[in-house]
Amino acid sequence: QLHMQESGSGLVKPSQTLSLTCAVSGGSISSGGYTWSWIRQPPGKGLEWIGYIYYSGSSYYNQSLKSRVTISVDRSKNQFSLKLNSVTAADTAVYYCARGFGSGPQDWGPGTLVTVSS
Amino acid sequence: DIQMTQSPSSLSASVGDRVTITCQASHDIRNFLNWYQQKPGKAPKFLIYDASSLDTGVPSRFSGSGSGTHFNFTINNLQPEDSATYYCQQYDNLRWTFGQGTKVEIK
Repeated sequence: QLHMQESGSGLVKPSQTLSLTCAVSGGSISSGGYTWSWIRQPPGKGLEWIGYIYYSGSSYYNQSLKSRVTISVDRSKNQFSLKLNSVTAADTAVYYCARGFGSGPQDWGPGTLVTVSS
Repeated sequence: DIQMTQSPSSLSASVGDRVTITCQASHDIRNFLNWYQQKPGKAPKFLIYDASSLDTGVPSRFSGSGSGTHFNFTINNLQPEDSATYYCQQYDNLRWTFGQGTKVEIK
């Protein structure tokens, strides 16, 4: 059974870089056809798609975040990562990683809260 | 970017009722629409894909319909465990957008 778990710093200072990793177990990140994505949810608000990457390395990002976001895959560790630079308080959110297809996320991690504050 | 407008933002209904949520796309997205259920403190759960196909194990009281720019999500015979926030999500042109969400409460 697929299991995904987000990890990383829960507190980031303004202007610094948010870094999160999603560890995947019960399935290979190199399996063809899947997308590996990041979605976030500010406290009390709705879902916002950040971006996704295919096993091949092709990636797609939310246009509003594109200049600050990088998603990458580490096949040797069966995990993928999110980097969001120049963060502000508006980036405070629960961050979810998910597996799915080009149509959208299907299997989600439990999420991790990241707070941007000095 | 394609915008998704969901309505209503919240609703309250009784057990056994039928409830319908609407999602409108700013552009024609054919049937490229998913629906999710999210309970407080939990990750969203995938319910419906391609506008009307139920994911494995999803109760048949949930249904979806629509194409183009107008979509509906319906819960028949509302149950207490259906209390949650529901989101639509489009996937046209390799980019994804979520609707703002609809909170369903049980009276």
